[in-house]
Amino acid sequence: GDSVTQMEGPVTLSEEAFLTINCTYTATGYPSLFWYVQYPGEGLQLLLKATKADDKGSNKGFEATYRKETTSFHLEKGSVQVSDSAVYFCALSEAGTALIFGKGTTLSVSS
Amino acid sequence: DAGVIQSPRHEVTEMGQEVTLRCKPISGHNSLFWYRQTMMRGLELLIYFNNNVPIDDSGMPEDRFSAKMPNASFSTLKIQPSEPRDSAVYFCASRGQGAGYEQYFGPGTRLTVT
Repeated sequence: GDSVTQMEGPVTLSEEAFLTINCTYTATGYPSLFWYVQYPGEGLQLLLKATKADDKGSNKGFEATYRKETTSFHLEKGSVQVSDSAVYFCALSEAGTALIFGKGTTLSVSS
Repeated sequence: DAGVIQSPRHEVTEMGQEVTLRCKPISGHNSLFWYRQTMMRGLELLIYFNNNVPIDDSGMPEDRFSAKMPNASFSTLKIQPSEPRDSAVYFCASRGQGAGYEQYFGPGTRLTVT
């Protein structure tokens, strides 16, 4: 079945460092891909999405490109802030089915 | 838009008691999802509805769990009887039609069963 694998955390960075969180997927069809973020004590918020190959999703300085050839959707940000500290989830959905999530990556940014 | 509304936000109950969690999806959304989040298992899909009809309940742990969606604006997840291992954060999410299939999550209900 479909699955999502993302890098284990926690990821610890200093403010203004470059961030990459790796995400790869397995799918039988052509899924839509998502990154969600969860701040402490809150629900998940959609961060960005891409619906087809080579699409780039972007929001709040975060970017991810849908790479069909490598089945990847890595999350990047050029300069992280303390306020970016959260748990990040990669997810996919095929043909309107429920989201399939990775296990989440905890990001901790220090000043 | 008020977003997805869940109640209660926190629930503490004793083992054996009945627990009912409630969700109001975003108006106009036609799909509703219940998830459970724990440290050990991460985010798990319990059940989802499309146009008020349960489509996939394969994630419901056992017969103690049941979910209903009597209309487009309300859903419940019931646990009876509750057990300590049910302690988790339960999220409801809704989704509209169209491309992208993104889901919008509620703030969650933190359930503690003692």
